Amino acid sequence: EVQLVESGGGLGQPGGSLRLSCSASGFIFSNYWMHWVRQAPGKGLVWVSRISTDGSDTTYADPVKGRFTISRDNAKNTLYLQMNSLRAEDTAVYYCVRYSSWWGFEYWGQGTLVTVSS
Amino acid sequence: EIVLTQSPGTLSLSPGEGATLSCRSSQSISSSYLAWYQQKPGQAPRLLIYGASNRATGIPDRFSGSGSGTDFTLTISRLEPEDFAVFYCQQHGSSPHTFGQGTKLVIK
Repeated sequence: EVQLVESGGGLGQPGGSLRLSCSASGFIFSNYWMHWVRQAPGKGLVWVSRISTDGSDTTYADPVKGRFTISRDNAKNTLYLQMNSLRAEDTAVYYCVRYSSWWGFEYWGQGTLVTVSS
Repeated sequence: EIVLTQSPGTLSLSPGEGATLSCRSSQSISSSYLAWYQQKPGQAPRLLIYGASNRATGIPDRFSGSGSGTDFTLTISRLEPEDFAVFYCQQHGSSPHTFGQGTKLVIK
């Protein structure tokens, strides 16, 4: 069974940092591109970032470019999102998502809530 | 950036009725890269339709997708109580992988 379990969310200070993790199991992690998607309270889904199977190719949405860094450790089956220079508008549930070009965003984690506030 | 516009924003229907949800793209996209997701309160989104018209694993056949180019449709025949949720379309053929703003399906 495919499982994606996010962790690392919580309260962050404006200008501060948080690191999210996503532990993957039930599939060969290194075979899949992975993504982060976020959802502000009461709002819609917004794509954040993606990373290739070996980590060599990364892409970011404009609002997080230069502040967030996506990475992965295939030996640990774990996806990361380093979030720096946090802003109030980064407050959201962050989902880790497994991607395939055939299916799309086929498996989602349960999400982890990030709140940016002083 | 490809912009996806969903309509209506809210759809009020009764169980047993049929629903038609629209997703319009700002530019033509390959049907292979158009997906629909369902999200219930407090839950992660779930893949419903991939490749514009293919049901994901375990999705009932009352859900169907159609369309091409810039206009896509999600149809739900004979609404069940568990179908009421928010539905999002998404294109994943080009970066950023944009979502529509969602259609909320509510019980009348």
